[in-house]
Amino acid sequence: GAGVSQTPSNKVTEKGKYVELRCDPISGHTALYWYRQSLGQGPEFLIYFQGTGAADDSGLPNDRFFAVRPEGSVSTLKIQRTERGDSAVYLCASSWSPRTDTQYFGPGTRLTVL
Amino acid sequence: SQQGEEDPQALSIQEGENATMNCSYKTSINNLQWYRQNSGRGLVHLILIRSNEREKHSGRLRVTLDTSKKSSSLLITASRAADTASYFCATDESIQGAQKLVFGQGTRLTINP
Repeated sequence: GAGVSQTPSNKVTEKGKYVELRCDPISGHTALYWYRQSLGQGPEFLIYFQGTGAADDSGLPNDRFFAVRPEGSVSTLKIQRTERGDSAVYLCASSWSPRTDTQYFGPGTRLTVL
Repeated sequence: SQQGEEDPQALSIQEGENATMNCSYKTSINNLQWYRQNSGRGLVHLILIRSNEREKHSGRLRVTLDTSKKSSSLLITASRAADTASYFCATDESIQGAQKLVFGQGTRLTINP
């Protein structure tokens, strides 16, 4: 079956602009996670969804970052007033259930803020 | 913040040799996982070892876990050029009943033909 997909694969924007990053999890997966990976670093947790609700958003760096999952499937990560420091690869992962150990990752969206 | 620390940060070996990467972590865990990442994009799950396990095998991969030392190692035997990638260990941290993965900085492995 299809894996986790993310669009766009690359996004270049100017400082101050608004961007949306999309994640399509594996069909049937109830848990969805967003991570951010800066160059040369490991991924860092941003936010976790169980169904439609954000169960934990403690990793979001500030209030410019927001994510939704209105129907419990596709999720969108939204970044307002982008800054150069937001440049990173944004990874989405999903799993069958919150307690399932293995998270399946998408290919990521590389965001570049000029 | 990142819990795990991989060692070495970079490793370059000849094809056919074995590659060993180490990971240390700070807090108690339920399990530890290893992932591979090619070209800085999606992560591929390799193997999971639970806190009550000491060793686990999967094909050419062998993972060990020493909870007393809070460390794990990943051994890739008979390396191939296709094994060139970054390897990350990840520990679990429970959040609202789910699992948040906490990654180390990774080991960049290069297999020379």
